[in-house]
Amino acid sequence: GENVEQHPSTLSVQEGDSAVIKCTYSDSASNYFPWYKQELGKRPQLIIDIRSNVGEKKDQRIAVTLNKTAKHFSLHITETQPEDSAVYFCAASSGNYGQNFVFGPGTRLSVLP
Amino acid sequence: GAVVSQHPSRVICKSGTSVKIECRSLDFQATTMFWYRQFPKQSLMLMATSNEGSKATYEQGVEKDKFLINHASLTLSTLTVTSAHPEDSSFYICSASSHQGYTFGSGTRLTVV
Repeated sequence: GENVEQHPSTLSVQEGDSAVIKCTYSDSASNYFPWYKQELGKRPQLIIDIRSNVGEKKDQRIAVTLNKTAKHFSLHITETQPEDSAVYFCAASSGNYGQNFVFGPGTRLSVLP
Repeated sequence: GAVVSQHPSRVICKSGTSVKIECRSLDFQATTMFWYRQFPKQSLMLMATSNEGSKATYEQGVEKDKFLINHASLTLSTLTVTSAHPEDSSFYICSASSHQGYTFGSGTRLTVV
């Protein structure tokens, strides 16, 4: 089955700096890679996703890159703000209707003012 | 967009009792529902996949007799934690899969005392 690894487990950055979180996956059949932001006690919120036919996707301060050959994808947050502080999870899925996600272990991001 | 309503958001129960958690898709038909469990500071771990009108598929290590899942309609799936024990205390969250994508419920914080 799919296995998703995520690094780093914790990340502290100064406000305004960039943050990068990396994930690797094992199943070459996976073709959908969402990123979720989760605040304490709340549901994961989808912040950006990418499909395997695209190498990069950007939405304002957030971008995701995918290297399908190497089976890794990364989340980039630029101009970080204190409200970006949360736990971020990457996930992988075959993307087919009815398929579950396999989540990475998470990264706790702290943006220091 | 698609909305999944999950209740209760928080429940405290005595050891040995059963607790039912409901997830209801409000504006779409959820043929498939996923149930995840999240321990503090850990990732979301898939417990089971339920399909409307059929038996749920449980992940390895998840006791099907302890975590009863019912998906009797296209808009409602329930998870019942039977004979709950303190080690069952966790954050339980559902996710529905539809042609509109994946949607998470708001989660249920279960505390067994």
